[in-house]
Amino acid sequence: DTAVSQTPKYLVTQMGNDKSIKCEQNLGHDTMYWYKQDSKKFLKIMFSYNNKELIINETVPNRFSPKSPDKAHLNLHINSLELGDSAVYFCASSQGDRASPLHFGNGTRLTVT
Amino acid sequence: GNSVTQMEGPVTLSEEAFLTINCTYTATGYPSLFWYVQYPGEGLQLLLKATKADDKGSNKGFEATYRKETTSFHLEKGSVQVSDSAVYFCALSGGTGGFKTIFGAGTRLFVKA
Repeated sequence: DTAVSQTPKYLVTQMGNDKSIKCEQNLGHDTMYWYKQDSKKFLKIMFSYNNKELIINETVPNRFSPKSPDKAHLNLHINSLELGDSAVYFCASSQGDRASPLHFGNGTRLTVT
Repeated sequence: GNSVTQMEGPVTLSEEAFLTINCTYTATGYPSLFWYVQYPGEGLQLLLKATKADDKGSNKGFEATYRKETTSFHLEKGSVQVSDSAVYFCALSGGTGGFKTIFGAGTRLFVKA
C-alpha cells in the first residue's frame, strides 16, 4: 500500500550513459514532482506535472526529460550522465494547492562514476 | 521570490532536552508553512503545517506557530527522544510562488541517550 514508490532505489552508472527513474503514486493526486537532493541535503525542485501537463520546469539541463504517461506516473530520463548529476532524486505528489503537503517517495540514489 | 531560512546544524541534544529549530521566511501574499522530517535512507514526511497567520501546527509532541509579524515558523518540542534524530526541513508553499514548495537547507538533529 505504498503511496509514492520510485524505482530503482540505487543506480550506479558511468559518465555518458542514459538512465531512467520511474515513479508511481496511488493517492489519486493530480500533481507530481521531481526534486533533487544534493550531498548537503539541499532540496531543489526540478519539474512538476499536473494531470500529465508540465507546469514547472526549473533551470535544469535539457539532458533531463520528464515524462508523464498518466497522472499516476512521472518518470525521469537523464541523457549523457555527468559526475555532477550524482544526487538523490525524489519523486513527490500532492493535491496541487498551496495548503496541501507533498508526499515523497523514498528516493533514488544516483551515483555517476 | 519566496525563500526559507533555517538555522544551521547540526544540533546535538541530550534526551529529554528542549528543542527549538528556527525558521524564517520571505514571501508576499499568504503562504502555507510546513515542517518535514527526513530519517536516514527515507523520503521526507510531513511533520506539521499551518496555513494562515497565528495557526499552530502540532504532531508527535512537536509544534510550530505561524507568526506573520516576525515571518517565522519555529519548530519546538518540550522533550526530545533518541528516535527524533533526523533532518528537519522548513518549507513554504503559495504566496507569489504559486503552489510550488520551496525548502530551507535542513537542520540535522542528533539526540544522545
